[in-house]
Amino acid sequence: GAVVSQHPSRVICKSGTSVKIECRSLDFQATTMFWYRQFPKQSLMLMATSNEGSKATYEQGVEKDKFLINHASLTLSTLTVTSAHPEDSSFYICSVLGGGKNTEAFFGQGTRLTVV
Amino acid sequence: GDSVTQMEGPVTLSEEAFLTINCTYTATGYPSLFWYVQYPGEGLQLLLKATKADDKGSNKGFEATYRKETTSFHLEKGSVQVSDSAVYFCALSDRGGATNKLIFGTGTLLAVQP
Repeated sequence: GAVVSQHPSRVICKSGTSVKIECRSLDFQATTMFWYRQFPKQSLMLMATSNEGSKATYEQGVEKDKFLINHASLTLSTLTVTSAHPEDSSFYICSVLGGGKNTEAFFGQGTRLTVV
Repeated sequence: GDSVTQMEGPVTLSEEAFLTINCTYTATGYPSLFWYVQYPGEGLQLLLKATKADDKGSNKGFEATYRKETTSFHLEKGSVQVSDSAVYFCALSDRGGATNKLIFGTGTLLAVQP
């Protein structure tokens, strides 16, 4: 299956700053990537679908100006949390959809963001 | 909308004990059902899946049967090992959707003690 690498695995930032999280598909060209967010003791919630070369599709209730997604190449999607606040502290996970007849999703290891 | 409900953890078992993690779902149409596992420090990995009613997914000694009549997909293993300690997520996808969006349960932490 596809290998997905997410960086950084942990990040602590100050309120008001921006943080960029990278998601790389190491052995597969991914036209579609997904970004999820998980609050403690809650489900992974889909935030947005990232499409290579076009604008991301955001789920209802997700602020697109706060969570900027860039999918500039077939192997890299980035999520930037702008003007971070403590309530943005969460676990963010990306996934890549397998290609061809393989519709399995492959996940990165996640990024733990803490805003202080 | 579609949703997945799974039992809260943590579940703590002794090695070789029998495991059941309950999962029920609400969906329109005919979703595919999945169990994902997340080992410490790693990404989610597909453990098993079932794409239609009465299908049984199995992998690494784990099994789950797609029960349409009870809208359930409970995960079972006859004899757990310490290495099975992880977080387990039940999920569904709308097979009619082009992007294969996954809807997850809250995850269940399994801790197996030697």
